[in-house]
Amino acid sequence: GENVEQHPSTLSVQEGDSAVIKCTYSDSASNYFPWYKQELGKRPQLIIDIRSNVGEKKDQRIAVTLNKTAKHFSLHITETQPEDSAVYFCAASPSGGYNKLIFGAGTRLAVHP
Amino acid sequence: DVKVTQSSRYLVKRTGEKVFLECVQDMDHENMFWYRQDPGLGLRLIYFSYDVKMKEKGDIPEGYSVSREKKERFSLILESASTNQTSMYLCATVWAVNTEAFFGQGTRLTVV
Repeated sequence: GENVEQHPSTLSVQEGDSAVIKCTYSDSASNYFPWYKQELGKRPQLIIDIRSNVGEKKDQRIAVTLNKTAKHFSLHITETQPEDSAVYFCAASPSGGYNKLIFGAGTRLAVHP
Repeated sequence: DVKVTQSSRYLVKRTGEKVFLECVQDMDHENMFWYRQDPGLGLRLIYFSYDVKMKEKGDIPEGYSVSREKKERFSLILESASTNQTSMYLCATVWAVNTEAFFGQGTRLTVV
């Protein structure tokens, strides 16, 4: 089945710096790759997603890139702010339907003022 | 706004007890999921359901079962709770293929 690996597990940056989180997946038929943000004590919430027919997608300070050949995708956050501090999860939707998502292990991002 | 509500925020149960975790959604979504969240392991899929009375095993179904008698309600059952099932449990719902998953607030279960 699908396997998603996520790196790094922790990331510490200064406010205003950029942050990059990388994920790889194993199922070449996976076609949907969302990113979720989970603030402390709260439920995960979708922040951006990308489908396999697109190489890059941007929404204000966040962007996601997808390399289907290499089977990896990345989250880029520019001009980080303290409120970006959270755990970020990447996910992949494997072939076979049912809309299930396989998640990475998560990255704890800390943005220091 | 989609509402996904889990019946308990915190639960403490004894080893060997049968435990029921309930999840209710109000948006008529076909697909519902139970995940387990542990530090360093991310969210792991336990079971999912794509229709009433239909269920499929996820990646870690051992020790769990599920019930979906009505479209809006998906229950996770721990047949005989064990200490290694102490974890945060998250329910999620999805409307259609490759669309946003909406999560419940989570149930932190402690088995003593």
